[in-house]
Amino acid sequence: EIVLTQSPGTLSLSPGERATLSCRASQSVGRGYLAWYQQKPGQAPRLLIYGASSRGTGIPDRFSGSGSGTDFTLTISRLEPEDIAVYYCQQYDGSPRTFGQGTKVEIK
Amino acid sequence: DVQLVESGGTLVQPGGSLRLSCAASGFIFSNYAMSWVRQAPGKGLEWVSTMSGGGTTYYADSVKGRFTISRDISKNTLYLQVNSLRAEDTAIYYCARDYLSPSGSLWYNYMDVWGEGATVTVS
Repeated sequence: EIVLTQSPGTLSLSPGERATLSCRASQSVGRGYLAWYQQKPGQAPRLLIYGASSRGTGIPDRFSGSGSGTDFTLTISRLEPEDIAVYYCQQYDGSPRTFGQGTKVEIK
Repeated sequence: DVQLVESGGTLVQPGGSLRLSCAASGFIFSNYAMSWVRQAPGKGLEWVSTMSGGGTTYYADSVKGRFTISRDISKNTLYLQVNSLRAEDTAIYYCARDYLSPSGSLWYNYMDVWGEGATVTVS
């Protein structure tokens, strides 16, 4: 199975700063089949990005995804207080689908 | 509005069983693949099981032989029968819809709609 490793574990930034989250795969994720989810405290996950770089419905354009092969990135261009959450990547190229362990984003 | 509502979560003893339900509304349930994803306390997300729109089932190795996914199309409801429960099955169980292209011809294994979850505690 494809193992996804996210870094850093925790990211502490000030409002307005740029957040860069990494997701590295143990083998190539073909066709850009990588998604990102946001999970706020006490809530269910929400789809942010699919196909490595396409935003989900209603997702603000400050969220962007990039990458291919084994290295993928989620960028929040200007951090807002409501972006406090854990962010998970998930690959859907291999079976079973797998998730990374998450990156927690905190407001400094 | 598209909505998924789980029910059936409870406290159960090791070795016990229960059935989780997920009531779907706002979309043509029978067209979509549906999945269960769980999250142990303080941990990350783990895919558990999927039923395709055509009814084919898939399971994670960790639950194969103990969990059974099913659906009742007439009730727009997805189920997860969980047997032989272990302490490590303690988690929030989320029901989620797999993405289907607008044409209905392409199904992708990522989840575009999630329920709020049902809590299963094995103790």
